[in-house]
Amino acid sequence: GESVGLHLPTLSVQEGDNSIINCAYSNSASDYFIWYKQESGKGPQFIIDIRSNMDKRQGQRVTVLLNKTVKHLSLQIAATQPGDSAVYFCAEIPYGQNFVFGPGTRLSVLP
Amino acid sequence: NAGVTQTPKFQVLKTGQSMTLQCAQDMNHNSMYWYRQDPGMGLRLIYYSASEGTTDKGEVPNGYNVSRLNKREFSLRLESAAPSQTSVYFCASRSGTEVSPLHFGNGTRLTVT
Repeated sequence: GESVGLHLPTLSVQEGDNSIINCAYSNSASDYFIWYKQESGKGPQFIIDIRSNMDKRQGQRVTVLLNKTVKHLSLQIAATQPGDSAVYFCAEIPYGQNFVFGPGTRLSVLP
Repeated sequence: NAGVTQTPKFQVLKTGQSMTLQCAQDMNHNSMYWYRQDPGMGLRLIYYSASEGTTDKGEVPNGYNVSRLNKREFSLRLESAAPSQTSVYFCASRSGTEVSPLHFGNGTRLTVT
């Protein structure tokens, strides 16, 4: 079974509703941010990224918002589907340094 | 185009045994990485190779060694496995430019008894 993510915070949403997953980052020098999705038994999958010179970026059904004032990143998923059930985590990349990953949030989509 | 391929998918070792985790990417990426993932924690960097011919320690390198065999392949070796090395190991690669994401393999689940 899945051992990763046993103790993660969980967000439960009804199918069809919008989901908002939040992430606080630590380094004010970070200039690149990424959201990843990890399904059970698989590796992290790139969803969307954003540079620090932007506040918002949209993809297909997903939007990332960046608030540099409070060092906060959020991922919005529109019309959440069962296939969206997974662990989501953010990564921050300070300039010239390696990625720093958050522990993640488990998204559970209820029928 | 397979992306990042890791072998094996599962492994059980006894304390003190050695093994090598293999990783290959077919995206012509310059940089390759090894991470471990433990319950409730973020991915932690073990070692990385910014380009062919170079390797550097990450956050948790003790007990591991790496080899960047060529541009495609980056292996991780446990010389004397310990129970604390029970984890899921992910290999990743990226093009090497400042604003490029990591692309991950599907992991090796290692248990050390």
